[in-house]
Amino acid sequence: DSGVTQTPKHLITATGQRVTLRCSPRSGDLSVYWYQQSLDQGLQFLIQYYNGEERAKGNILERFSAQQFPDLHSELNLSSLELGDSALYFCASSVSSGGAYEQYFGPGTRLTVT
Amino acid sequence: GENVEQHPSTLSVQEGDSAVIKCTYSDSASNYFPWYKQELGKRPQLIIDIRSNVGEKKDQRIAVTLNKTAKHFSLHITETQPEDSAVYFCAASGNRAGGTSYGKLTFGQGTILTVHP
Repeated sequence: DSGVTQTPKHLITATGQRVTLRCSPRSGDLSVYWYQQSLDQGLQFLIQYYNGEERAKGNILERFSAQQFPDLHSELNLSSLELGDSALYFCASSVSSGGAYEQYFGPGTRLTVT
Repeated sequence: GENVEQHPSTLSVQEGDSAVIKCTYSDSASNYFPWYKQELGKRPQLIIDIRSNVGEKKDQRIAVTLNKTAKHFSLHITETQPEDSAVYFCAASGNRAGGTSYGKLTFGQGTILTVHP
């Protein structure tokens, strides 16, 4: 157990819908990262937040957005869902914002868009 | 941006043999190189990492080497066991603000390791 929690574990929804994925970092970690894992794209970085502020952005679609709240939990919002958005979404946390710190992954949310 | 290439994509060994997985990276600003093990349907689990001021690091049966000049790093698993079977990912990250590798892990494509009893 990494100490990072994610809910829900599974999500099945239809095209065009909107969903929210939730992540709570390890105790003491200020940075939260979101990654998408699909069979054809591998593990892709989406976005990073540090202590409530956006710090780095990857190839995140405009239909996707995220935020980090004062209690440091983070939410990833996916809207106008398409079949291709079906994937495993992981959040990870680390103690700091720089890139040279260990990142610990949560159990992931499996999103299926039908 | 950073690009990480990983080889081989699949690796099959007999129990007790050694396994080696190799990665190359493109961004010279990258200075942190973790390795993750992922079992089917589970989260990536950090198994070992190395920073650019170190050339080699070992933890029991697992070792990682880094060649900064050539921009490549490798994972070595000795005395493999069936429970080592999983997908292994290398990654690279940097801590220079404004650099393309700052604040994010760029992953290799993964290696499916199968250890036969």
